Amino acid sequence: ETGVTQSPTHLIKTRGQQVTLRCSSQSGHNTVSWYQQALGQGPQFIFQYYREEENGRGNFPPRFSGLQFPNYSSELNVNALELDDSALYLCASSPPDRGPTGELFFGEGSRLTVL
Amino acid sequence: ILNVEQSPQSLHVQEGDSTNFTCSFPSSNFYALHWYRWETAKSPEALFVMTLNGDEKKKGRISATLNTKEGYSYLYIKGSQPEDSATYLCASSGNTPLVFGKGTRLSVIA
Repeated sequence: ETGVTQSPTHLIKTRGQQVTLRCSSQSGHNTVSWYQQALGQGPQFIFQYYREEENGRGNFPPRFSGLQFPNYSSELNVNALELDDSALYLCASSPPDRGPTGELFFGEGSRLTVL
Repeated sequence: ILNVEQSPQSLHVQEGDSTNFTCSFPSSNFYALHWYRWETAKSPEALFVMTLNGDEKKKGRISATLNTKEGYSYLYIKGSQPEDSATYLCASSGNTPLVFGKGTRLSVIA
């Protein structure tokens, strides 16, 4: 059984640029969530995708957008990067039909640095 | 917006000591409480998901309790080992997606 994988692991961008982060969910999982962990904070919920549709969104501006593909892999796109976007971005998949009681299976994250 | 608080922020214990941490969360509209263990340079791994008041769960030397009426959960580690060194995250959901606390960073000194 393949776990959650994320790419790239590290990247550096400059202010105003755009970035795409990728996530392959665990086999059989149809729900993917994205979290941002800034320094000294807990993971903050960005949004969740279920069967290719956005199914919940946290307090993040529209320049944070996402996609989920038919194979349930997912992308997080961030436009017009700001310095405060520097963080670890975590992707998590969860088993079908478990809702809030389903444990999350995390990737190791993509660390974004914005200069 | 849920506010999940964890204490202490960090602690150091000697190998063999038992320890515990606290997670507090709003008790209204509670649905589930999750605990995750996150070792450096790895991905967070689920320890427990609890939903019922009075729930107690155990996995080896680690156990957790849940009080949904007063809004807290305790995580206990018996006989800490160096491999227990990690950040322990709790997260709560009401009618919202999971909200995480900032974590408790545990260092076990051999």
